[in-house]
Amino acid sequence: DTAVSQTPKYLVTQMGNDKSIKCEQNLGHDTMYWYKQDSKKFLKIMFSYNNKELIINETVPNRFSPKSPDKAHLNLHINSLELGDSAVYFCASSHYRSYEQYFGPGTRLTVT
Amino acid sequence: GENVEQHPSTLSVQEGDSAVIKCTYSDSASNYFPWYKQELGKRPQLIIDIRSNVGEKKDQRIAVTLNKTAKHFSLHITETQPEDSAVYFCAATLYSGGGADGLTFGKGTHLIIQP
Repeated sequence: DTAVSQTPKYLVTQMGNDKSIKCEQNLGHDTMYWYKQDSKKFLKIMFSYNNKELIINETVPNRFSPKSPDKAHLNLHINSLELGDSAVYFCASSHYRSYEQYFGPGTRLTVT
Repeated sequence: GENVEQHPSTLSVQEGDSAVIKCTYSDSASNYFPWYKQELGKRPQLIIDIRSNVGEKKDQRIAVTLNKTAKHFSLHITETQPEDSAVYFCAATLYSGGGADGLTFGKGTHLIIQP
């Protein structure tokens, strides 16, 4: 009965590959997010998305794209992976009437 | 955009003592300030939060204070225990209701509880 789940937990891939990370929430939330945590543990918002708008952090390369098949899912697709993309990626969700954001377990991406 | 500064980066306290972590934010429009605890290899977990219409909030051994004029907020942990050892993050955002607002995080404080 995990509230926010992500797959895979670990992802090791080579430079230049394309990969996706999946996120699902069963909380009935309508807003989902992707955060990146770098090697120094700094957490940074990448995308915010509800059924009305997508907000993209301007510093995120356009190789990254969120895809939402429905309200319970927000997947992250990454093209042409680079070494600097290595990080832990966290999905989160919240309800529009509430302020609280709840995080998934994270996906550790390693690009070699 | 919003910028959040957090201090100290590392804090070591004796078990049973109090710990205080401080954050400042730049955008006076921000109205929601959560604190997250992250244990090694785990997800950030929300431990307490405060909204801009409140000056202080307490939950058992943890409390958060907010000074809107000075644009700073603080986390207070009393009677610290070994399980309090973790990295703590403050964050800020403008919550506008119905919008998708991401959190701007501070760089984190590694809290070490010495036995």
